[in-house]
Amino acid sequence: AQKVTQAQTEISVVEKEDVTLDCVYETRDTTYYLFWYKQPPSGELVFLIRRNSFDEQNEISGRYSWNFQKSTSSFNFTITASQVVDSAVYFCALSTNTGNQFYFGTGTSLTVIP
Amino acid sequence: KAGVTQTPRYLIKTRGQQVTLSCSPISGHRSVSWYQQTPGQGLQFLFEYFSETQRNKGNFPGRFSGRQFSNSRSEMNVSTLELGDSALYLCASSLTQATPYEQYFGPGTRLTVT
Repeated sequence: AQKVTQAQTEISVVEKEDVTLDCVYETRDTTYYLFWYKQPPSGELVFLIRRNSFDEQNEISGRYSWNFQKSTSSFNFTITASQVVDSAVYFCALSTNTGNQFYFGTGTSLTVIP
Repeated sequence: KAGVTQTPRYLIKTRGQQVTLSCSPISGHRSVSWYQQTPGQGLQFLFEYFSETQRNKGNFPGRFSGRQFSNSRSEMNVSTLELGDSALYLCASSLTQATPYEQYFGPGTRLTVT
C-alpha cells in the first residue's frame, strides 16, 4: 500500500525565516515518483516538483529546495527567506508506476507572518 | 495555453439528487484524473481516464462514475447524493499515461449537498 505522511499540520513563520516541510512516504514499489504541490487560498493546486525514485540528487529552484533521502523515505521541502506569498497549503504526493493515481499527504498549512 | 477548466464552479444540490461535473483538460493532454477534497479526508483519488478508458479507480462507491470523450473532456457523475459528498472536486490533466507525470489541476467544483 502507498502512504504519504505530512506530520506538520500547521506552521507559522515570520517573513524571511527559512522553513522546512516534512514528507515521509511508504511504498513497496522500487519505482515511484514524488511530487510537491502548493494550494494557495484561491484553491488551485500548483505543481512544484516531480522526482523519481532513481534520482536522489537534491534540487534547488530559487528559494525552494528539496531533499530526497531514500534511506529515510523522506522528501522534504525547504523554503529559504520565506515571503508572505508563500502562505498556502503544501501537499506531498506519491505515485507508482501503475498510472497517474496520486496518493496525497494531508498537507501542511504554512502561514508567513509579515 | 489554457489551463484545466471545470464547470460549474459552485453547485448546491439536495440529498438524493444526482450531479454531473465537467472537466476540460489542457490541450494535448489525454489523461484526466478526478479527486475529492474534504477537510476530514484530504485529497482522495476517484478515477483516471486515458483515451476514453478508465485505467485506475479509487476506493469510492459505485455512485461515483465518470467517462471521457474522444476530445479528452471528462465528466464525473454522482448519483443519489449524500451529505458526505459535499466537497471540492478537482480534475487534473496530464500529458502522458506511461509513467506518473505532473498533473495540472483545475480550480475545482465546490459541491454542497443539503
